[in-house]
Amino acid sequence: DAKTTQPTSMDCAEGRAANLPCNHSTISGNEYVYWYRQIHSQGPQYIIHGLKNNETNEMASLIITEDRKSSTLILPHATLRDTAVYYCIVTVAPQTGGFKTIFGAGTRLFVKA
Amino acid sequence: DTAVSQTPKYLVTQMGNDKSIKCEQNLGHDTMYWYKQDSKKFLKIMFSYNNKELIINETVPNRFSPKSPDKAHLNLHINSLELGDSAVYFCASSDRDRYGYTFGSGTRLTVV
Repeated sequence: DAKTTQPTSMDCAEGRAANLPCNHSTISGNEYVYWYRQIHSQGPQYIIHGLKNNETNEMASLIITEDRKSSTLILPHATLRDTAVYYCIVTVAPQTGGFKTIFGAGTRLFVKA
Repeated sequence: DTAVSQTPKYLVTQMGNDKSIKCEQNLGHDTMYWYKQDSKKFLKIMFSYNNKELIINETVPNRFSPKSPDKAHLNLHINSLELGDSAVYFCASSDRDRYGYTFGSGTRLTVV
């Protein structure tokens, strides 16, 4: 799996958009970008994933650059409950045997009132 | 509720004891995992099972033995517990539809 680089921490005002960047310059053509978050003491939670195209779901949007070397997770209207550690992961889609995902340190997002 | 559930949530035990953590998923996923999150908060994969077959076994001491009686269950048995085994252990599952992992809520193991 390709390595990712994320800022250690970020702040965001409640109600504003939170934009979390991720660099993955060594990504391979068959590797997806996945985002998870871990709220204190809970298990990580899947947010969104994508291959080439931008993706949006009820939680967030994922913007992937054309060269796929970086991406941005966007939480459109951050709330206090979005305070968490956000992990950007690059991995091949599971075939038999599933994922072998390496979670780095992630970005600690603080949403402030 | 569809979920990955693991028990117990907290486990405090003495060095040298043997303990088990149970995990069950009712999502119909074909792959299950154990992850360890240490005090520095890094999540590291330990094992994965696909349809009861061991697929991934990272460099984990032999004292850790996963057991999968069926594809909905993956239990973790730990022999001769050591202080360094203190961590939060997460069970997870996934399927071929690529929608990532579903994690359990974790088991906080404290060895004293």
